[in-house]
Amino acid sequence: ELKVEQNPLFLSMQEGKNYTIYCNYSTTSDRLYWYRQDPGKSLESLFVLLSNGAVKQEGRLMASLDTKARLSTLHITAAVHDLSATYFCAVDDGTGGGADGLTFGKGTHLIIQP
Amino acid sequence: NAGVTQTPKFQVLKTGQSMTLQCAQDMNHNSMYWYRQDPGMGLRLIYYSASEGTTDKGEVPNGYNVSRLNKREFSLRLESAAPSQTSVYFCASSEQFFSPLHFGNGTRLTVT
Repeated sequence: ELKVEQNPLFLSMQEGKNYTIYCNYSTTSDRLYWYRQDPGKSLESLFVLLSNGAVKQEGRLMASLDTKARLSTLHITAAVHDLSATYFCAVDDGTGGGADGLTFGKGTHLIIQP
Repeated sequence: NAGVTQTPKFQVLKTGQSMTLQCAQDMNHNSMYWYRQDPGMGLRLIYYSASEGTTDKGEVPNGYNVSRLNKREFSLRLESAAPSQTSVYFCASSEQFFSPLHFGNGTRLTVT
Protein backbone atom coordinates (compact mmCIF):
# COMPACT_ATOMS: atom_id res chain seq x y z
CA GLU A 1 0.00 0.00 0.00
CA LEU A 2 1.37 3.35 -1.04
CA LYS A 3 1.88 5.83 1.78
CA VAL A 4 2.62 9.52 1.26
CA GLU A 5 3.96 11.60 4.11
CA GLN A 6 4.38 15.35 4.13
CA ASN A 7 6.25 17.43 6.61
CA PRO A 8 5.78 19.72 8.20
CA LEU A 9 1.99 19.54 8.44
CA PHE A 10 1.83 23.10 9.70
CA LEU A 11 4.21 25.94 8.95
CA SER A 12 4.09 29.56 9.98
CA MET A 13 6.73 31.75 8.42
CA GLN A 14 7.54 35.37 7.82
CA GLU A 15 7.39 37.14 4.52
CA GLY A 16 10.72 37.23 2.76
CA LYS A 17 11.97 33.96 4.22
CA ASN A 18 12.76 30.72 2.39
CA TYR A 19 11.45 27.32 3.33
CA THR A 20 11.00 23.79 2.04
CA ILE A 21 8.12 21.33 2.31
CA TYR A 22 9.01 17.66 2.05
CA CYS A 23 7.02 14.79 0.56
CA ASN A 24 8.16 11.20 1.09
CA TYR A 25 6.45 8.19 -0.42
CA SER A 26 6.76 4.50 0.24
CA THR A 27 6.82 2.70 -3.12
CA THR A 28 8.54 3.17 -6.42
CA SER A 29 6.97 5.91 -8.50
CA ASP A 30 8.16 8.50 -10.97
CA ARG A 31 4.94 10.49 -11.11
CA LEU A 32 4.33 13.10 -8.45
CA TYR A 33 1.98 16.07 -8.32
CA TRP A 34 1.72 19.19 -6.18
CA TYR A 35 -1.59 20.94 -5.52
CA ARG A 36 -2.61 24.10 -3.73
CA GLN A 37 -5.85 24.56 -1.82
CA ASP A 38 -7.13 27.88 -0.47
CA PRO A 39 -9.53 27.77 2.51
CA GLY A 40 -12.97 26.56 1.48
CA LYS A 41 -11.88 26.15 -2.13
CA SER A 42 -11.02 23.39 -4.53
CA LEU A 43 -7.57 22.03 -5.36
CA GLU A 44 -5.46 23.65 -8.05
CA SER A 45 -2.68 21.80 -9.83
CA LEU A 46 0.73 23.43 -9.37
CA PHE A 47 3.33 21.02 -10.70
CA VAL A 48 3.57 17.68 -12.45
CA LEU A 49 6.88 15.83 -11.99
CA LEU A 50 7.30 12.81 -14.24
CA SER A 51 10.89 11.68 -13.98
CA ASN A 52 13.84 11.42 -11.65
CA GLY A 53 15.56 14.75 -11.33
CA ALA A 54 12.59 16.71 -12.65
CA VAL A 55 12.50 20.32 -11.53
CA LYS A 56 9.67 22.75 -12.17
CA GLN A 57 9.46 26.41 -11.17
CA GLU A 58 6.61 28.89 -11.13
CA GLY A 59 7.24 32.25 -9.54
CA ARG A 60 8.46 31.79 -5.97
CA LEU A 61 7.73 28.05 -5.93
CA MET A 62 10.06 25.34 -7.14
CA ALA A 63 9.36 21.60 -7.02
CA SER A 64 11.78 18.74 -7.51
CA LEU A 65 11.65 14.96 -7.57
CA ASP A 66 14.22 12.37 -6.50
CA THR A 67 12.74 8.98 -7.30
CA LYS A 68 15.65 7.05 -5.82
CA ALA A 69 15.14 8.71 -2.46
CA ARG A 70 11.33 8.64 -2.96
CA LEU A 71 11.31 12.32 -2.08
CA SER A 72 9.89 15.48 -3.54
CA THR A 73 10.43 18.98 -2.25
CA LEU A 74 8.47 22.19 -2.69
CA HIS A 75 10.74 25.17 -2.07
CA ILE A 76 9.40 28.62 -1.35
CA THR A 77 11.67 31.56 -2.05
CA ALA A 78 11.14 34.98 -0.42
CA ALA A 79 7.64 34.07 0.73
CA VAL A 80 4.76 36.51 0.28
CA HIS A 81 1.38 36.51 2.01
CA ASP A 82 -0.44 35.37 -1.16
CA LEU A 83 1.28 31.99 -0.90
CA SER A 84 -0.61 31.20 2.31
CA ALA A 85 -2.58 28.02 1.55
CA THR A 86 -2.53 24.27 2.10
CA TYR A 87 -0.18 22.38 -0.19
CA PHE A 88 -0.66 18.72 -1.04
CA CYS A 89 1.62 16.30 -2.76
CA ALA A 90 0.09 13.29 -4.51
CA VAL A 91 1.67 10.20 -5.99
CA ASP A 92 0.63 7.84 -8.76
CA ASP A 93 1.74 4.31 -7.87
CA GLY A 94 1.82 3.42 -11.55
CA THR A 95 -0.22 0.22 -11.33
CA GLY A 96 -3.31 1.49 -13.11
CA GLY A 97 -1.79 3.20 -16.11
CA GLY A 98 -2.38 6.52 -14.47
CA ALA A 99 -6.15 6.07 -14.38
CA ASP A 100 -6.66 4.65 -10.90
CA GLY A 101 -6.26 7.85 -8.96
CA LEU A 102 -3.60 9.46 -6.83
CA THR A 103 -2.62 8.95 -3.20
CA PHE A 104 -2.44 12.24 -1.35
CA GLY A 105 -0.40 13.38 1.60
CA LYS A 106 -2.19 15.01 4.50
CA GLY A 107 -1.24 18.48 3.36
CA THR A 108 0.97 21.26 4.69
CA HIS A 109 -0.95 24.22 6.06
CA LEU A 110 1.23 27.24 5.32
CA ILE A 111 0.70 30.64 6.90
CA ILE A 112 2.89 33.52 5.82
CA GLN A 113 2.87 36.48 8.13
CA PRO A 114 3.98 40.03 7.40
CA ASN B 1 -15.43 26.48 -19.98
CA ALA B 2 -16.99 25.01 -16.81
CA GLY B 3 -14.48 22.19 -16.20
CA VAL B 4 -15.80 19.90 -13.44
CA THR B 5 -19.19 20.80 -11.99
CA GLN B 6 -20.55 19.32 -8.76
CA THR B 7 -24.01 19.61 -7.28
CA PRO B 8 -25.15 20.34 -4.67
CA LYS B 9 -22.61 22.60 -2.96
CA PHE B 10 -24.01 21.99 0.51
CA GLN B 11 -26.26 19.30 1.97
CA VAL B 12 -27.49 18.33 5.41
CA LEU B 13 -28.86 14.83 5.88
CA LYS B 14 -30.27 12.93 8.80
CA THR B 15 -28.82 9.55 9.65
CA GLY B 16 -30.32 6.90 7.37
CA GLN B 17 -31.33 9.24 4.57
CA SER B 18 -30.04 8.72 1.07
CA MET B 19 -28.76 11.13 -1.55
CA THR B 20 -26.81 11.31 -4.78
CA LEU B 21 -23.97 13.70 -5.47
CA GLN B 22 -23.74 14.70 -9.10
CA CYS B 23 -20.59 15.41 -11.10
CA ALA B 24 -20.13 16.37 -14.73
CA GLN B 25 -17.06 17.35 -16.74
CA ASP B 26 -16.90 19.00 -20.13
CA MET B 27 -13.24 18.34 -20.94
CA ASN B 28 -13.80 14.98 -22.66
CA HIS B 29 -11.71 13.26 -20.01
CA ASN B 30 -11.72 9.50 -19.80
CA SER B 31 -11.15 9.08 -16.05
CA MET B 32 -13.23 10.38 -13.18
CA TYR B 33 -12.86 10.14 -9.41
CA TRP B 34 -14.60 10.73 -6.13
CA TYR B 35 -12.52 11.78 -3.11
CA ARG B 36 -13.48 12.77 0.39
CA GLN B 37 -11.54 15.30 2.43
CA ASP B 38 -11.54 15.26 6.19
CA PRO B 39 -9.54 17.54 8.51
CA GLY B 40 -6.00 16.27 8.95
CA MET B 41 -6.57 13.33 6.60
CA GLY B 42 -5.78 14.73 3.19
CA LEU B 43 -7.90 13.39 0.35
CA ARG B 44 -8.92 9.75 0.21
CA LEU B 45 -10.18 8.02 -2.91
CA ILE B 46 -13.68 6.56 -2.66
CA TYR B 47 -14.29 5.25 -6.18
CA TYR B 48 -12.91 5.85 -9.61
CA SER B 49 -13.88 5.23 -13.20
CA ALA B 50 -10.96 4.72 -15.53
CA SER B 51 -13.19 4.92 -18.59
CA GLU B 52 -16.84 5.00 -19.53
CA GLY B 53 -18.51 1.79 -18.44
CA THR B 54 -16.05 0.87 -15.71
CA THR B 55 -15.92 1.66 -12.01
CA ASP B 56 -13.59 0.47 -9.25
CA LYS B 57 -13.23 0.82 -5.52
CA GLY B 58 -10.69 3.15 -4.03
CA GLU B 59 -9.34 3.34 -0.49
CA VAL B 60 -12.63 4.04 1.36
CA PRO B 61 -15.60 2.67 -0.66
CA ASN B 62 -17.78 1.34 2.17
CA GLY B 63 -21.18 3.02 2.37
CA TYR B 64 -21.00 4.41 -1.16
CA ASN B 65 -22.01 3.43 -4.67
CA VAL B 66 -21.20 5.08 -7.97
CA SER B 67 -22.54 5.24 -11.50
CA ARG B 68 -20.65 6.31 -14.59
CA LEU B 69 -23.69 7.43 -16.50
CA ASN B 70 -21.78 8.41 -19.64
CA LYS B 71 -18.40 9.88 -20.43
CA ARG B 72 -19.34 13.23 -18.87
CA GLU B 73 -21.12 12.20 -15.68
CA PHE B 74 -20.07 10.27 -12.58
CA SER B 75 -22.42 10.19 -9.60
CA LEU B 76 -21.86 9.15 -5.99
CA ARG B 77 -24.70 7.70 -3.93
CA LEU B 78 -25.05 7.35 -0.19
CA GLU B 79 -27.77 4.77 0.42
CA SER B 80 -28.03 5.20 4.19
CA ALA B 81 -26.06 8.17 5.43
CA ALA B 82 -24.06 7.94 8.65
CA PRO B 83 -22.41 10.70 10.72
CA SER B 84 -19.01 9.25 9.72
CA GLN B 85 -19.80 10.35 6.17
CA THR B 86 -19.78 14.00 7.16
CA SER B 87 -17.07 15.36 4.90
CA VAL B 88 -16.26 17.47 1.88
CA TYR B 89 -16.59 15.47 -1.31
CA PHE B 90 -14.58 16.30 -4.41
CA CYS B 91 -15.11 15.00 -7.88
CA ALA B 92 -12.17 15.07 -10.28
CA SER B 93 -11.35 14.09 -13.82
CA SER B 94 -8.21 13.52 -15.87
CA GLU B 95 -6.85 12.34 -19.13
CA GLN B 96 -5.11 9.02 -18.57
CA PHE B 97 -1.35 8.87 -18.34
CA PHE B 98 0.54 11.57 -16.51
CA SER B 99 -1.97 14.37 -16.49
CA PRO B 100 -3.05 16.07 -13.25
CA LEU B 101 -6.50 15.76 -11.78
CA HIS B 102 -8.97 18.60 -12.36
CA PHE B 103 -11.18 19.08 -9.34
CA GLY B 104 -14.71 20.36 -8.91
CA ASN B 105 -15.59 22.88 -6.21
CA GLY B 106 -16.70 20.25 -3.72
CA THR B 107 -19.86 19.29 -1.86
CA ARG B 108 -19.92 19.93 1.87
CA LEU B 109 -22.06 17.19 3.44
CA THR B 110 -23.18 17.08 7.06
CA VAL B 111 -24.94 14.03 8.46
CA THR B 112 -26.69 14.55 11.81
